[in-house]
Amino acid sequence: TQLLEQSPQFLSIQEGENLTVYCNSSSVFSSLQWYRQEPGEGPVLLVTVVTGGEVKKLKRLTFQFGDARKDSSLHITAAQPGDTGLYLCAGSGGNNRKLIWGLGTSLAVNP
Amino acid sequence: ETGVTQSPTHLIKTRGQQVTLRCSSQSGHNTVSWYQQALGQGPQFIFQYYREEENGRGNFPPRFSGLQFPNYSSELNVNALELDDSALYLCASSLFSEQYFGPGTRLTVT
Repeated sequence: TQLLEQSPQFLSIQEGENLTVYCNSSSVFSSLQWYRQEPGEGPVLLVTVVTGGEVKKLKRLTFQFGDARKDSSLHITAAQPGDTGLYLCAGSGGNNRKLIWGLGTSLAVNP
Repeated sequence: ETGVTQSPTHLIKTRGQQVTLRCSSQSGHNTVSWYQQALGQGPQFIFQYYREEENGRGNFPPRFSGLQFPNYSSELNVNALELDDSALYLCASSLFSEQYFGPGTRLTVT
């Protein structure tokens, strides 16, 4: 059974700090996606990484896919209160349309 | 391009009742996945429909059932509601692996 472990589960930081969220598995994924969800709303797709070692940047967010395509990280630089939310990673196993989900990282950025 | 829509937004039901939730997929998407999400947790996969056929099911009892229509919209039906069914129900449409979510239906069972 494929599993995705996300860490940390909870994170509370001050505005301006940096943080990293990790998503790890023993399985290889053909692609991995990161989503952000705000309370009462559906998750919003932030990025998809496909190639081992790939790095993608979205403003202050940097996403990396591990060389072996088993893990990924999300780094936020100079966090702002607007970054507060639940961050979810989800992996795809190829032709399979189903995603394997991490349990999420709940981030609170305090002003 | 129309995004994913869900109806109703909120719903209150009594234990033992039945409920139907609806989802309209994004234009061009042929796959709909349904999730149950408790507060502060990640989504739990209920099932997925691909071109009107069930394409996988999570660890949910048979009283959770679904349907996908020729226009790829979908329904989630839950029979014999239990208090623990109270949650945010999300649908996501996709063409391949990237899923695009609707705003969810908040179901409260009393």
